[in-house]
Amino acid sequence: EVQLVQSGAEVKKPGATVKISCKVSGHTFTDFYMHWVQQAPGKGLEWVGLIDPGDGETVYGEKFQGRVTISADTSVDIAYMELSSLRSEDTAMYYCATPGASGYDLDPFDHWGQGTLVTVSS
Amino acid sequence: EIVLRQFPATLSLSPGERATLSCRASQSVSSHLAWYQQKPGQAPRLLIYDVSNRATGIPARFSGSGSGTDFTLTISSLEPEDFAIYYCQQRTNRLIFAFGPGTKVDIK
Repeated sequence: EVQLVQSGAEVKKPGATVKISCKVSGHTFTDFYMHWVQQAPGKGLEWVGLIDPGDGETVYGEKFQGRVTISADTSVDIAYMELSSLRSEDTAMYYCATPGASGYDLDPFDHWGQGTLVTVSS
Repeated sequence: EIVLRQFPATLSLSPGERATLSCRASQSVSSHLAWYQQKPGQAPRLLIYDVSNRATGIPARFSGSGSGTDFTLTISSLEPEDFAIYYCQQRTNRLIFAFGPGTKVDIK
């Protein structure tokens, strides 16, 4: 069974940086892209970006370009999302998600983490 | 940039009724169109991928159809557990993704 376990909730001040993690088990980490998705309170889903853990290639959504860094440590099967210059609008649940069950390596998002709540407040 | 629109924003129905949810893209998109269900306090769950393929464990009352710019998720007979928010998602080119704004299906 594929499981994605995310790190715990974070509270940060405006201007700070947050780094959250997503530990993968149950399939070969480097065989599947990892995505990050933002969901602000009461709002819809917004794609943040992706990483190919196999070669480290990253692609970021336009909204997050320049402030987000997605990385992966293949020695421990963990993906990370770092968001800098935090502002109140970044307060949201952040999910990691990955394909696997549908037979593809890029999408759709078959498996999801439980989410990490990031709160930005002075 | 491809933009996904979903309508209606809210669909009020009773258990046993048929639900028809629409997703429209601003330009013709590939067949990599997926639908997700999200309940309060939970992560989204994949329902449909590649327009019409049900994900593992998804009941047959969920079906997807469409092509080009117009796609539909149909729930043939609503069960109490189906009242939730539904999102469509598209790969806009090889490595850029987008979600629609969602349709909330609530109990009439």
